[in-house]
Amino acid sequence: GENVEQHPSTLSVQEGDSAVIKCTYSDSASNYFPWYKQELGKGPQLIIDIRSNVGEKKDQRIAVTLNKTAKHFSLHITETQPEDSAVYFCAARSGTALIFGKGTTLSVSS
Amino acid sequence: DAEITQSPRHKITETGRQVTLACHQTWNHNNMFWYRQDLGHGLRLIHYSYGVQDTNKGEVSDGYSVSRSNTEDLPLTLESAASSQTSVYFCASSDGSGNSPLHFGNGTRLTVT
Repeated sequence: GENVEQHPSTLSVQEGDSAVIKCTYSDSASNYFPWYKQELGKGPQLIIDIRSNVGEKKDQRIAVTLNKTAKHFSLHITETQPEDSAVYFCAARSGTALIFGKGTTLSVSS
Repeated sequence: DAEITQSPRHKITETGRQVTLACHQTWNHNNMFWYRQDLGHGLRLIHYSYGVQDTNKGEVSDGYSVSRSNTEDLPLTLESAASSQTSVYFCASSDGSGNSPLHFGNGTRLTVT
């Protein structure tokens, strides 16, 4: 089955800096790669996703890149703000179920 | 607005008891999922359903069961609760069309003493 590795597990940045979170996946048949943000006491919420026929997608300060050959994808957050502090999960779709990475705790200090 | 709700938000139970966690969605989604979240493990899939009367095992299904008698609900039952099942449980749903996003509930924190 699919296996998703996510790094780093924790990331601390200064407000205004960029943050990058990286994931690798094992199943070459996976074709959908979403990113979720989880705030304290809440369920994860989708922030951006990318499909296997696209190499990069951007939405304001957030971008995701995908390298299908290397089987890795990354989340880039520019101009970080304190409200970006949260746990971020990458995922890959194997069949219909999403398989998640173990999460990255991002802390943005002002 | 459509939503997905879980109840209770917090539950404490004793080892060996049967426990049922409720999940109700008003999205009219065909697909529903149960995940557990533990430190160091992220979100792991327990069971999922693609529609009424359909259930499937995920990667950590031992000790859990689900049933799908209607579109809106997918209750998760712990047959005989164990301390290893202390966790935060999340229910999610999606409409099943291609790569549709998951909508998560706010979770149930279960403590087994």
